[in-house]
Amino acid sequence: DIQMTQSPSSVSASVGDRVTITCRASQGISSWLAWYQQKPGKAPKLLISAASSLQSGAPPRFSGSGSGTDFTLTINNLQPEDVATYYCQQANTFPITFGQGTRLEIK
Amino acid sequence: EVQLVESGGDLVQPGGSLRLSCVASGFTFSIYRMNWVRQAPGKGLEWVSYIDTSGTGKMYADSVKGRFTISRDDAKNSLYLQMNSLRDEDTAVYYCARASQSRWQLPDYWGQGTLVTVSS
Repeated sequence: DIQMTQSPSSVSASVGDRVTITCRASQGISSWLAWYQQKPGKAPKLLISAASSLQSGAPPRFSGSGSGTDFTLTINNLQPEDVATYYCQQANTFPITFGQGTRLEIK
Repeated sequence: EVQLVESGGDLVQPGGSLRLSCVASGFTFSIYRMNWVRQAPGKGLEWVSYIDTSGTGKMYADSVKGRFTISRDDAKNSLYLQMNSLRDEDTAVYYCARASQSRWQLPDYWGQGTLVTVSS
């Protein structure tokens, strides 16, 4: 199985800051990487697919990059509504696997 | 609007059985592959099972193989998960998630989840 490792496990930042979350796959997955946002008590919501493709309706302050084994989720101009846990997921092969999550808080 | 509504979660004793259901609306259910994904309390996401459009292609996580069975009924726009020989570690919120048509390994829409608690 492909292992997905996210860092950091938690981050605290101020409104207006830029936040970067990284995700590393245990083997190459091309660009088959997705990012999900999960707000407290809610279901995960797909934010980015294919490493950098922003889903319809997602704010443009979210962006993704990377390929192979190393990927990044960047949030520019952090807003209070971005408080959530963010998960990466490899969509290269079954079994689908997720990173352990990064909890984002506002200072 | 895509909607997925799960039901069937309950408190069950170890060794017991439970059947989860997921009713889909807002899209043509029969042409989409589907998944179940779970999340233990305070933990991360774990993929559980996948089914193709014919209902014959199925995959399972090693942790549930031989105990859980995924199925679908396109006439009822419904997805199911039969859970047998339940263990404490199966306690989780279970989400029904649609697979993207462009990439089967990509769940693109999720239901709100149903809670399964395994405890004596």
